[in-house]
Amino acid sequence: QVQLKESGPGLVQPSQTLSLTCTVSGFSLTSYNVHWVRQPPGKGLEWMGRMRFNGDTSYNSALKSRLSISRDTSKNQVFLKMNSLQTDDTGTYYCARDQLNFDYWGQGVMVTVSS
Amino acid sequence: DIQMTQSPASLSASLGETVTIECRASEDIYSNLAWYQQKPGNSPQLLIFDANTLADGVPSRFSGSGSGTQYSLKINSLQSEDVASYFCQQYNNYPRTFGGGTKLELK
Repeated sequence: QVQLKESGPGLVQPSQTLSLTCTVSGFSLTSYNVHWVRQPPGKGLEWMGRMRFNGDTSYNSALKSRLSISRDTSKNQVFLKMNSLQTDDTGTYYCARDQLNFDYWGQGVMVTVSS
Repeated sequence: DIQMTQSPASLSASLGETVTIECRASEDIYSNLAWYQQKPGNSPQLLIFDANTLADGVPSRFSGSGSGTQYSLKINSLQSEDVASYFCQQYNNYPRTFGGGTKLELK
């Protein structure tokens, strides 16, 4: 069955770089797009960016200067890297499969930016 | 960017009641709209796509409607398991944008 699972550090120091991995199963990264979405505690959802099935990427313009999304199709993994983290980057980070809408989501990984 | 304005931000209703949540887009999104349900501590789950099509396994008491810039999610006969936050999302354009969410509680 389709599954996505995020992994990464729970705590990142301010100004450091966040590295997250989304490991997928039950579908191919060369057939579906995968997106990253984040959610500050108690708040709404923010689209961050997308890895397209053909390897192209697109980013939220508000994050574009700090954000990079890549993948390793042999490992069924999509990666997120975001630099210069600040406290308002604290939140839960999700990856989700794209069927235009997001039909499957990972469980999310909570990231706290704090010294 | 397309702005999605969702209302109300919070809603308190009784079991068995019918509730409606509204979502307005800043431009025509041609029914490219999804609704998600997020229960506390869980990730969002797809409820409705293409404005009015129920996702697999979603109870028929949920329904979606609308076109152009105005959309709504209706829950008939509210159940206790419907306590959650609800978000709309447009997928007509990039960046994909979400409404601010509606927190539904039991009265």
